[in-house]
Parts: sequence; structure tokens; C-alpha cells
Amino acid sequence: DGGITQSPKYLFRKEGQNVTLSCEQNLNHDAMYWYRQDPGQGLRLIYYSQIVNDFQKGDIAEGYSVSREKKESFPLTVTSAQKNPTAFYLCASRGSSGIERSGYTFGSGTRLTVV
Amino acid sequence: AQSVTQLGSHVSVSEGALVLLRCNYSSSVPPYLFWYVQYPNQGLQLLLKYTSAATLVKGINGFEAEFKKSETSFHLTKPSAHMSDAAEYFCAVSEPVLTGGGNKLTFGTGTQLKVEL
Repeated sequence: DGGITQSPKYLFRKEGQNVTLSCEQNLNHDAMYWYRQDPGQGLRLIYYSQIVNDFQKGDIAEGYSVSREKKESFPLTVTSAQKNPTAFYLCASRGSSGIERSGYTFGSGTRLTVV
Repeated sequence: AQSVTQLGSHVSVSEGALVLLRCNYSSSVPPYLFWYVQYPNQGLQLLLKYTSAATLVKGINGFEAEFKKSETSFHLTKPSAHMSDAAEYFCAVSEPVLTGGGNKLTFGTGTQLKVEL
């Protein structure tokens, strides 16, 4: 079955460490997105990529980095510069027919906790 | 810039009662509007979407929403709540690509629905 796989489901990070969250999709979607979810704040866009080898900053990109070397993969690195990284991270993708037709497909999320 | 406001971070209803979750949007052009549902520690699942066709949109699990341009609203309703409806619900807006929206979704802050016996 096609879908988006995020791993790991739970991740613990020590302060000062960089960690990378994985997002893989087999839907042949062009666009991929990373959102951060905090209680009471909804989902906020971190980075997005509409094609391979290209990506743009979202609303809260500081302290994060991404790459898009393959169509299927869009990993997110949470760097030590991100001062408050504890959150639930969601990856999504969208097909080329546009949001009005294909909408977004979401992964099941990674919960990152700083210890 | 587009934005979404969800009134009421927590809504509680009795099983069998009407569910009404409110969403108001702000957009400079006719938007696309979405409702998603999220169960604990899971991703988001699309309930329904408005993309400039019929103003009354029917979705999965018996939910529907009506687009009212004059009120800039897209409230979610279900005639009879079920225990399995307990979850968090998010309203989202996207502007068409041609207006520079880029197919990005902007989400509201969410409404937690509790269903009581």
C-alpha cells in the first residue's frame, strides 16, 4: 500500500545534539512538507519542497535543516540551534494534481523529546 | 495572508447529540478549505474539503461542512455524535497556486472533541 512512513515514532535527544527525523513516501508525490505540532498551537510549517533538489523555508525554519536528494525522501534535521525542540513532528506529501484534487497525505508522526 | 480561527479549543457533547465545530477563515481570494481529524499520537486524516464546487460538503464518518462566504465560515457538523468521534479536529485553508498560495496549508489551533455517555 502507498503511504508515508515516518521514523522513529519516538525519539529522545540530549541537549546540544543534532537529530534527524526520517520521512519516506512511495506515492510518487512531488511536494513534501514538515510541520511541527505543539499543544494549543496547531500545526506550523517548518520547511517544504515542491521538487527534488529544491526546498523553501516555512514559518518556523530556524534551528532546522532539510534535504531533498530523492523524490521519495525528505529528512528533517533538528539542530542544536533549535532551543525548544520537544514537539510532535508531522511529514506530509501532495501529488502533482494540486491540493484541490489530491490534498495532503500525512505520516503518523515522530514525537521528539529533549532529555 | 491566509489564516484560520477555530473557536473553542475543547468541545464536549453527549453521545447522540449534534456536533458543531466552528471555523472562520481569512483569505484575500476564494480559498480551498479542509477539515482534518487526528487521533492520539497519529497523523491527520482528511474528513472533507471545499474546493469551490458545492457549498455543502459531505465527508467521511457522517460529517459535513458548509462554506458560507458572507460569514467567512466553514463549520463542521455531525447530526449524532458517537464515542468514536472523540479526537482533535483541525480546520485548514489554502490559497490557489495562481494567487501565490503554493498549495501550502495553514492550520487552525485545533478543537478537542469529547463525547460523553
